[in-house]
Amino acid sequence: QKEVEQDPGPLSVPEGAIVSLNCTYSNSAFQYFMWYRQYSRKGPELLMYTYSSGNKEDGRFTAQVDKSSKYISLFIRDSQPSDSATYLCAMKPDTGRRALTFGSGTRLQVQP
Amino acid sequence: EAGVAQSPRYKIIEKRQSVAFWCNPISGHATLYWYQQILGQGPKLLIQFQNNGVVDDSQLPKDRFSAERLKGVDSTLKIQPAKLEDSAVYLCASSRGTSGNEQFFGPGTRLTVL
Repeated sequence: QKEVEQDPGPLSVPEGAIVSLNCTYSNSAFQYFMWYRQYSRKGPELLMYTYSSGNKEDGRFTAQVDKSSKYISLFIRDSQPSDSATYLCAMKPDTGRRALTFGSGTRLQVQP
Repeated sequence: EAGVAQSPRYKIIEKRQSVAFWCNPISGHATLYWYQQILGQGPKLLIQFQNNGVVDDSQLPKDRFSAERLKGVDSTLKIQPAKLEDSAVYLCASSRGTSGNEQFFGPGTRLTVL
């Protein structure tokens, strides 16, 4: 079983829809949770990161962490065709080996 | 601010050949990372440098992979000899501090081993 699970998609939505992207994880030591966006043939781009549980909002993006369920989400409001990309979650512990563990990514397609 | 630079962008080699990738991080970033991203998977850390010292190389296949970061700025990653399963995108990232919470990635080098 992978430490971080992410549905590969593709997830296809109409422009303007609210998108929900999710990851589950098994390592209870993870404390930092990141969301990256990766366009085709580009490197990942950090969207936002959160520490421990709770919500964080940045423009049209909202990240949620539920540590009790080992479940994190990224919501995209008013989705645009330019949001079409692969979204990667990543996480790491607060102590010890601090390498990021990535999910395999969810491919999102926003149809105009 | 210029981003992370990598070269070459693409490389095709035959198995058992050697190959080298170059990375120039964002100016002033102390920490540099090399990741391997196999098609359909998330990036996997190969090695992490802080300035010119190795912080984490636990996932680096040291029998064939090597990396250095002389003078604490740019870095090279080498594979010798390459295997078919090394076909992947090799991503370089850098961060200002040591926490690794905000990593900036380069465009990657796409390696195909035939």
